[in-house]
Amino acid sequence: QKEVEQNSGPLSVPEGAIASLNCTYSDRGSQSFFWYRQYSGKSPELIMFIYSNGDKEDGRFTAQLNKASQYVSLLIRDSQPSDSATYLCAVDGYSTLTFGKGTMLLVSP
Amino acid sequence: ETGVTQTPRHLVMGMTNKKSLKCEQHLGHNAMYWYKQSAKKPLELMFVYSLEERVENNSVPSRFSPECPNSSHLFLHLHTLQPEDSALYLCASSQDRLATTGELFFGEGSRLTVL
Repeated sequence: QKEVEQNSGPLSVPEGAIASLNCTYSDRGSQSFFWYRQYSGKSPELIMFIYSNGDKEDGRFTAQLNKASQYVSLLIRDSQPSDSATYLCAVDGYSTLTFGKGTMLLVSP
Repeated sequence: ETGVTQTPRHLVMGMTNKKSLKCEQHLGHNAMYWYKQSAKKPLELMFVYSLEERVENNSVPSRFSPECPNSSHLFLHLHTLQPEDSALYLCASSQDRLATTGELFFGEGSRLTVL
């Protein structure tokens, strides 16, 4: 069974700092990796996806993938209090995604 | 109008009740999903429908019964639930069931409490 592991946190960073969120996965055959953000009391929303080894940047967000180490991360530069949320790592499956438990990020002003 | 709409948002039921959760998507997607979200656990896939056909049933107890009358609507019928079934039930849709783009569009969820 596929597993996706994340540190549940909370990860606390001051405003303006870089937040680093990490995820490992068990299925070496996984090809696609996703980061969802879930605000408290809200539903998850996709913020980034990455398919190839290396970095992918989108604004303040950078996803990093290392398939050899089965590791994917999300960096948030210039963190803002509005980034405070739970970040879910997800990995592709046969017909849908396998999610991790999520890491709670708290950005303090 | 939001892309994926779920009703009711909150539901309290006894173990002997029968109730249903409803989901409607306005995105023209072909696949719809039910997920269960419990505290301190990952999102758990329950059911997948593609073009109104159930393509995956993730070992869910029979007290949960899905129904997909058309590609825009998905129901989850609940019967004789247990307190441990209390959770947030999320409906999602995607363009196709392979979800290779990873973009699942989630509804706001139905918070279920079983007494």
